[in-house]
Amino acid sequence: AQSVTQPDARVTVSEGASLQLRCKYSYSATPYLFWYVQYPRQGLQMLLKYYSGDPVVQGVNGFEAEFSKSDSSFHLRKASVHWSDSAVYFCAVSAKGTGSKLSFGKGAKLTVSP
Amino acid sequence: NSKVIQTPRYLVKGQGQKAKMRCIPEKGHPVVFWYQQNKNNEFKFLINFQNQEVLQQIDMTEKRFSAECPSNSPCSLEIQSSEAGDSALYLCASSLDWGDEQYFGPGTRLTVL
Repeated sequence: AQSVTQPDARVTVSEGASLQLRCKYSYSATPYLFWYVQYPRQGLQMLLKYYSGDPVVQGVNGFEAEFSKSDSSFHLRKASVHWSDSAVYFCAVSAKGTGSKLSFGKGAKLTVSP
Repeated sequence: NSKVIQTPRYLVKGQGQKAKMRCIPEKGHPVVFWYQQNKNNEFKFLINFQNQEVLQQIDMTEKRFSAECPSNSPCSLEIQSSEAGDSALYLCASSLDWGDEQYFGPGTRLTVL
């Protein structure tokens, strides 16, 4: 069974500071990895995805993530956060193939302070 | 930006009542998922479809939940007899293929009194 752990449930950073949100996954085969963001009263929007190849993937709005097979991790980073980045961020994993569904971590609520 | 449409946005039901919500997936997406997100941000996969056919569904879905994705009509998820524990955000997502990025709708927030 696949699982995702996000160890930091709440993160507060100052505007302009750098950000890292951690994600560890457990999966027996090669995973497909995603980061989604959820703003209040909205659905999920994908920030970036990793299927294979270069372990550092670029996403929208300056976000990037790095896949590490040895560490079973897919941490999200941003060099300089903006107040509008305040939201809940979810790491998710799925498999390749018919029927594949997303398994989500419990999310990290990011608050960007002025 | 996602073009998955979910209606209604909010739904309030009494225990034992039926609760029905609808989803229009992105145009051209044959794969549809329903997830339940509770107040603790725990996601539970409910059911998925390819075209109009159910591929997988969890046990909970098999007993009180029913879902369909008819051609040329919105997909729907219905809870036959709502329970307090069903209060949650129900998210519909669609994708072009299995394993691809899933596009999510805004969700239907169900409150069971």
